[in-house]
This record gives sequence, structure tokens and C-alpha cells, in this order.
Amino acid sequence: EAGVTQSPRYAVLQEGQAVSFWCDPISGHDTLYWYQQPRDQGPQLLVYFRDEAVIDNSQLPSDRFSAVRPKGTNSTLKIQSAKQGDTATYLCASSFTNQDTQYFGPGTRLLVL
Amino acid sequence: GQQVQQSPASLVLQEGENAELQCNFSSTATRLQWFYQHPGGRLVSLFYNPSGTKHTGRLTSTTVTNERRGSLHISSSQTTDSGTYFCAIDRDTNAYKVIFGKGTHLHVLP
Repeated sequence: EAGVTQSPRYAVLQEGQAVSFWCDPISGHDTLYWYQQPRDQGPQLLVYFRDEAVIDNSQLPSDRFSAVRPKGTNSTLKIQSAKQGDTATYLCASSFTNQDTQYFGPGTRLLVL
Repeated sequence: GQQVQQSPASLVLQEGENAELQCNFSSTATRLQWFYQHPGGRLVSLFYNPSGTKHTGRLTSTTVTNERRGSLHISSSQTTDSGTYFCAIDRDTNAYKVIFGKGTHLHVLP
């Protein structure tokens, strides 16, 4: 069974540029999570979906960050006008509803210069 | 304040030594989980342990929910155990909103 895949693996931007991250969860997993992991920190939840619906986006900087999962499968996280403080690894994870284990992708490492 | 606190922040062992990683949480948790992250690698779930003790190989997870603490014991450490261990809690029974600690960085020397 294929795991969670993410692309790109790395991104380098100048401040003010936009970037999109893509996540393909494990087939059949209805719940999808996006986390931000700054260097030497634990992951911090940004947003998560059940099917196509956003369940919690309270930690998503809404003025510059957006996330969609239009068909309840793949998801895209977009940063408009990136800032140096956005430098981090962005992790995607998926799970079945009512199951405890989240399966993580390899992450996208973002560097904003 | 920080909801999940892990200690120590970092730990260096000689191969064969045991390690005890601690996790304390400041709010009521419905679940406690331990994750492992190899440098540059993805997060892997080690244990989901809401209470009591669980074993997998050389790893033992103990959670005392009413004292808001958990621990991860690694016996007979190996160099391949090196990496970062995260404790995470889940406070919402319906939402699976997981909150991570800052991790314990473990380095096992040959």
C-alpha cells in the first residue's frame, strides 16, 4: 500500500512569492491533516479535513494561507506572499475516522529568503 | 502556556544504555501518542496509549492519565534509535486534534 505522498519535497522562495504544496493521502482515508513543523519544534496543526469539509482551520493564518480538498481525496495547501517566518517543513497526514493512527508524508521543506 | 512538555530536550547515550523520556501535559487528554522522527525523515507512530502500559520490542509506553504524564522507555539502545521522539495529546474525542510537544532529541553513540 502506498503511503502518504507530498510534493514538492523542497521549495525555496523570496519573500512575497506564492507556493503550493500538494498531498495525496492513503487511499480510503477520509481525514487529512496539514501541519507546520519549524526547525527543532514539534508539528503544529494548521488545518484538517474530513472528506472535503474543513473541520478545524483555527490555526491557519487565514490572510495568507489557504487549503482545499475539493473531492475529499488530494489536498493543496497554498501560501500567498510568503514570509521568512513561514520557513518550516509542511507535513501532511491522513487517517480513517475513529482510528487513532495518523500516517505522515515525508514533508515539504520550505525556505523563504 | 505550553500544553505538552517533554523532557529531557536532548539525550546522548552509549549503545546498550537505557533511556526514559518523559511527557507532561497541562490539559485533560483523551489520548496520548508517541511518534518517532528520524533526521530528515517522516513521522512514524510508535504508540497510541491513553492509559496503562504497552510494549513493542525494546520500547515501553506508560501513561498515567489522572496524573497527566506519560513516559517512553527504550531498553538496550541502538544507534538506529537516534532521532527525535515526540509526545502528542488529543483532547477532543470527536475531532482528533493532536497537539505535539517539542520533542526529545536522542543520539546513541556506537
